[in-house]
Amino acid sequence: GDSVTQMEGPVTLSEEAFLTINCTYTATGYPSLFWYVQYPGEGLQLLLKATKADDKGSNKGFEATYRKETTSFHLEKGSVQVSDSAVYFCALSDQTGFQKLVFGTGTRLLVSP
Amino acid sequence: GAVVSQHPSRVICKSGTSVKIECRSLDFQATTMFWYRQFPKQSLMLMATSNEGSKATYEQGVEKDKFLINHASLTLSTLTVTSAHPEDSSFYICSADRGQVNTEAFFGQGTRLTVV
Repeated sequence: GDSVTQMEGPVTLSEEAFLTINCTYTATGYPSLFWYVQYPGEGLQLLLKATKADDKGSNKGFEATYRKETTSFHLEKGSVQVSDSAVYFCALSDQTGFQKLVFGTGTRLLVSP
Repeated sequence: GAVVSQHPSRVICKSGTSVKIECRSLDFQATTMFWYRQFPKQSLMLMATSNEGSKATYEQGVEKDKFLINHASLTLSTLTVTSAHPEDSSFYICSADRGQVNTEAFFGQGTRLTVV
């Protein structure tokens, strides 16, 4: 079945450092890809998404490009802030509804001042 | 954005007892709600899909008699873990669907269940 693999954390960075969180997927069809973020004490929030190959999702300085050839959707940010500290989940959906999701394990990001 | 409230955020219960977790959509009607579970160092796994007014659809390997799901209204779904055991200790999280095509689901805060 479909699956998502993302790098284990925690990822520890200093403020203004460059961030990459790797995510690869396995799917039989043409899934939509997502990054969700969970801040402490809150629910998962959609950070960005891409629905087809070569699409780039972006939000709040974060970017991820749907790479069909490498089945990847790596999350990047050029300069992280302390407020970016959270758990980041990569996910896919093989349905047009976007609601039924297959998740990765989540990666905790810790940003220090 | 839409708000989904999940309660409680943490619960500790004794082995053999039952625990109910609530998932509410606060500012929209949710035709469908999803329940996920995450064991340590593993992915969030879909447990079941619940539709208002009908029986839930459980994923393979999830015991429907152990994890009772009730979606009695368009704003509330409940998950009851019956006769809980330590191996049921996990992180449970719900999401709710507004019923619109190509829109994401909205997640609750999650519930950390510890069975002692």
